[in-house]
Amino acid sequence: RKEVEQDPGPFNVPEGATVAFNCTYSNSASQSFFWYRQDCRKEPKLLMSVYSSGNEDGRFTAQLNRASQYISLLIRDSKLSDSATYLCVVTAPGSARQLTFGSGTQLTVLP
Amino acid sequence: DGGITQSPKYLFRKEGQNVTLSCEQNLNHDAMYWYRQDPGQGLRLIYYSQIVNDFQKGDIAEGYSVSREKKESFPLTVTSAQKNPTAFYLCASLSGTGYTGELFFGEGSRLTVL
Repeated sequence: RKEVEQDPGPFNVPEGATVAFNCTYSNSASQSFFWYRQDCRKEPKLLMSVYSSGNEDGRFTAQLNRASQYISLLIRDSKLSDSATYLCVVTAPGSARQLTFGSGTQLTVLP
Repeated sequence: DGGITQSPKYLFRKEGQNVTLSCEQNLNHDAMYWYRQDPGQGLRLIYYSQIVNDFQKGDIAEGYSVSREKKESFPLTVTSAQKNPTAFYLCASLSGTGYTGELFFGEGSRLTVL
């Protein structure tokens, strides 16, 4: 089983739709969780950190479920500019400096 | 402006040649990383360094080497021992301490072996 798993998609949704991605992690001792966004042929950039209580940033909501070992990202009112690959990132237990990436979920928002 | 600079952006190499990818940061971050990304794949860790003169192997270190002689610089050498080196290489540094912190990436280097 991979340490961090994501549904690769692609998710093709119309503008204005709500879309959700899940990411599961295998090690229950994982400490920190993040969502990164990567545009085609570009470097990843931090979208948001994921906190235990859940957090929201505009149209984006991230949640953590430690019992089931997954994190989620919800995008409301999706825009064409949201089209990208979304990468789930988890810190390795015992080493705050080593992060494990999921393989990414590809989102295309259609006009 | 602070950031991470990778060079070259595009590189072509003949089989059997070593090549060195440059990574420089002026963010004053201690931790630096090299990742490899293949088409449709996530990032895989090659090497990381938490402090000057120290570095650790990641998941796919075979065929690669690094050095960390200065805080600002973390070059990656792709050796001829790397069997399938064609990929997108990303260098990053980590802000913050403990379990928090954001990874800042360079724009990447695309290596193609001819």
